[in-house]
Amino acid sequence: QVQLVQSGDEVKKPGASVKVSCKASGYTFTKYGISWVRQAPGQGLEWMGRLNINNGNTNYAQKVQGRVTMTRDTSTNTDYMELRSLRSDDTAVYYCARDVGPTYYFDYWGQGTLVTVSS
Amino acid sequence: QTVVTQEPSFSVSPGGTVTLTCGLTSGSVSTSYYPSWYQQTPGQTPRTLIYDTSTRSSGVPVRFSGSILGNKAALTITGAQADDESNYYCVLYLGSGISVFGTGTNVAV
Repeated sequence: QVQLVQSGDEVKKPGASVKVSCKASGYTFTKYGISWVRQAPGQGLEWMGRLNINNGNTNYAQKVQGRVTMTRDTSTNTDYMELRSLRSDDTAVYYCARDVGPTYYFDYWGQGTLVTVSS
Repeated sequence: QTVVTQEPSFSVSPGGTVTLTCGLTSGSVSTSYYPSWYQQTPGQTPRTLIYDTSTRSSGVPVRFSGSILGNKAALTITGAQADDESNYYCVLYLGSGISVFGTGTNVAV
């Protein structure tokens, strides 16, 4: 069965970086992309970006462009999302979600990783 | 910046029908935006309901249906049940690899 297992919760200081992992199993890893979605406390879902399997590129939301990098390690079936220059408003639960091209929807989700940014 | 709008909240009686919509602040939503819909109860991981406008995800009850209504994407719950009480989010694909979530609708049953 498809599983996406994320790394554990993190506490970071403002200005630091965080790298969240998402280990996939139960499917052919290289046939699917991954999107990252976050949710601040009490707020809605926000799409951050994707590793786009359709064109091999990464695509990022304007709001985090320049601070985020999404990478993939095919040897371990793991995707990574690194967010730099953390601010208090980056405090959120971060989800990875399997990205289905060419219709660009998310069919399986990781369990979520809480990233808390606090001095 | 493109904003995807949803109604903030709806209330529906058990057994009733409710239609949630997903629109753009500028322009019309069509099937080319590949609308998808997700259900999330507080503290839980989102669940995929509908993709590619109207295709139900595996295991999703037939009371959930997706469509284009006028210039918006729509999610209709026909015969609402108590456990449909959740937040519902749409996602639109804007092109060039970019997706955006709607603002979300809280549905009370």
